[in-house]
This record gives sequence, structure tokens and C-alpha cells, in this order.
Amino acid sequence: SQTIHQWPATLVQPVGSPLSLECTVEGTSNPNLYWYRQAAGRGLQLLFYSVGIGQISSEVPQNLSASRPQDRQFILSSKKLLLSDSGFYLCAWSDRDSFTDTQYFGPGTRLTVL
Amino acid sequence: GEDVEQSLFLSVREGDSSVINCTYTDSSSTYLYWYKQEPGAGLQLLTYIFSNMDMKQDQRLTVLLNKKDKHLSLRIADTQTGDSAIYFCAEFTGTASKLTFGTGTRLQVTL
Repeated sequence: SQTIHQWPATLVQPVGSPLSLECTVEGTSNPNLYWYRQAAGRGLQLLFYSVGIGQISSEVPQNLSASRPQDRQFILSSKKLLLSDSGFYLCAWSDRDSFTDTQYFGPGTRLTVL
Repeated sequence: GEDVEQSLFLSVREGDSSVINCTYTDSSSTYLYWYKQEPGAGLQLLTYIFSNMDMKQDQRLTVLLNKKDKHLSLRIADTQTGDSAIYFCAEFTGTASKLTFGTGTRLQVTL
């Protein structure tokens, strides 16, 4: 069966510090991968998605970036965090060969920027 | 356009039925989803319905789709305290090839 991992689970960082959040998927190959941010426990904002290694699409311009160094690894980064980057970051995957885009979510990373 | 709207909050008593509503605007939606998010956790896929279906039932969950009115609902029978969570509907549109999520409905189950 497929599983998706995210770490760290929680993170407290000062403004201006760098960021690296990691997401890995097990039990599937060639997944589509997604990064979302959820502010204040409500709606989801799609940040990035990837259909393959090195292929990243950005939905929202901001000081975050994403990379996919391996097929089942998706990394969210920032060189300098802003207060507004605080939120709950969710990684998700979907089966590229599926007719639907059913997405399966990881447990999330709670980021607090102080 | 792609706007998915949900009411913010719903409170029901334990044992009653809950109905969570969702409206969407993109008529080209092919699949519609319901996800559940418990506090501090990721989203859990509950069920989905293909756009050519009117209804789908899975144990205590019933999904109704009115494609003419672009209205989707999730009915939870015999609501339990463990059903307290935020529920998100989402639509998959082939034109955009992505999921668009609603704003979420917080379901509170009281004793």
C-alpha cells in the first residue's frame, strides 16, 4: 500500500531563516506531487505541483520554492522566511495513470515563523 | 470560473444526521470529492462521485450530486462525536487538470 511521509511534524523558525520541508511517498512510482498551504485551519492553497523529476509548476508567486530531486521526494524550501509563511503545509500525491486526480495527503507540517 | 463554496460551520447533536453542502461553478467538473480533516492532521479522502452519477452511498455516508444546480452534499447518518472535523469538498476539472478545494465546513457534534 502507498504511504506518504512529511517531516518535520512541527517547526518554529525565526523570520529570515531558511526552510526545508520534506515529503516522501512509498509504494508507488511516478506520482504527481503537490504542496499546499493551509492558513488558520481553513482553506487549502496550492503552492506547487510536479509531474516528474525536476518538473515543478508554481501556482502562487512567493518566496517559496520546490524541488523534486527523486521520483518520490518533494521538497519545499525558502531562503528567508517571512511571518506570513506561517501555516500548515500539506504534501499530497496522486496516481499519474489514474483517470481522476484523487489526491492522498500526508500528515502535514505545522510551521510557525516568529 | 472555479469557485467552490461551503458554509463555514454546522452543529448537530450526536445521533442526528448531518448534511454538509457545497456548490461549484465549473460545469466541466468530472469528479467531486469529500475530504475530512481532524485537528492537526492531514486530509483524509472520504469518498468521491463521478459527475454522471446522482448518488453514492458508502455505509453512513451518502453523497448527492445535482449537476444542473452544481450542488454537492454529504450526508452523515447517525453522527458521532468522532465525526467532528472540517469537511472539504473538491472538484476535479479536466480543463485545469487539478483539484479545486472548497473553504471547508467545520462540523461540531454535541452530546
